[in-house]
Amino acid sequence: NAGVTQTPKFQVLKTGQSMTLQCAQDMNHEYMSWYRQDPGMGLRLIHYSVGAGITDQGEVPNGYNVSRSTTEDFPLRLLSAAPSQTSVYFCASSPGGSGETQYFGPGTRLLVL
Amino acid sequence: AQKVTQAQTEISVVEKEDVTLDCVYETRDTTYYLFWYKQPPSGELVFLIRRNSFDEQNEISGRYSWNFQKSTSSFNFTITASQVVDSAVYFCALSEAEANAGKSTFGDGTTLTVKP
Repeated sequence: NAGVTQTPKFQVLKTGQSMTLQCAQDMNHEYMSWYRQDPGMGLRLIHYSVGAGITDQGEVPNGYNVSRSTTEDFPLRLLSAAPSQTSVYFCASSPGGSGETQYFGPGTRLLVL
Repeated sequence: AQKVTQAQTEISVVEKEDVTLDCVYETRDTTYYLFWYKQPPSGELVFLIRRNSFDEQNEISGRYSWNFQKSTSSFNFTITASQVVDSAVYFCALSEAEANAGKSTFGDGTTLTVKP
């Protein structure tokens, strides 16, 4: 099993550009989440999904969209990149609800100029 | 609302010293889960431990031990005889059962530096 994979590993964008961060898991987990990590801070939840076709907002959803058409994939879309979105983005999956351990991807480092 | 506080931003110790990382949490739920993760310099997040709110037994795993006290809403992490490889950022996280959505609230992390 590859676990949770994220692409790209690193990306540079110009302000106003859009892009999609890819996340895939091969563990058949129902729950998936996107977090961002800024320097000196913990992870903050952007969006999450409790199953295919179901998504909801987390703590910092503005400027991001998600969809969950399959169990395996949970892409994160930046609609119009801003310098404030410079961060490291982590995708996570878990087999169940709150009591389950989350498995994290390796992260995507995004720089918005 | 749930909240996790890791008051120690940075800790520096010399190898073989013991070190305790503090974690204080806030939640209205009676059922919740607490986690510790390690983030080494390579950047990935490594799961260390999960505890539920009904199990206050301390746990020991090798040089690692965890002290969960509901009375003080704390879930502290101790590394005994620290090693250079323990240098990392350590995160405490809280997940409320009511949310039941596989998501967690993280503290801001404690950066541990172990010097040889």
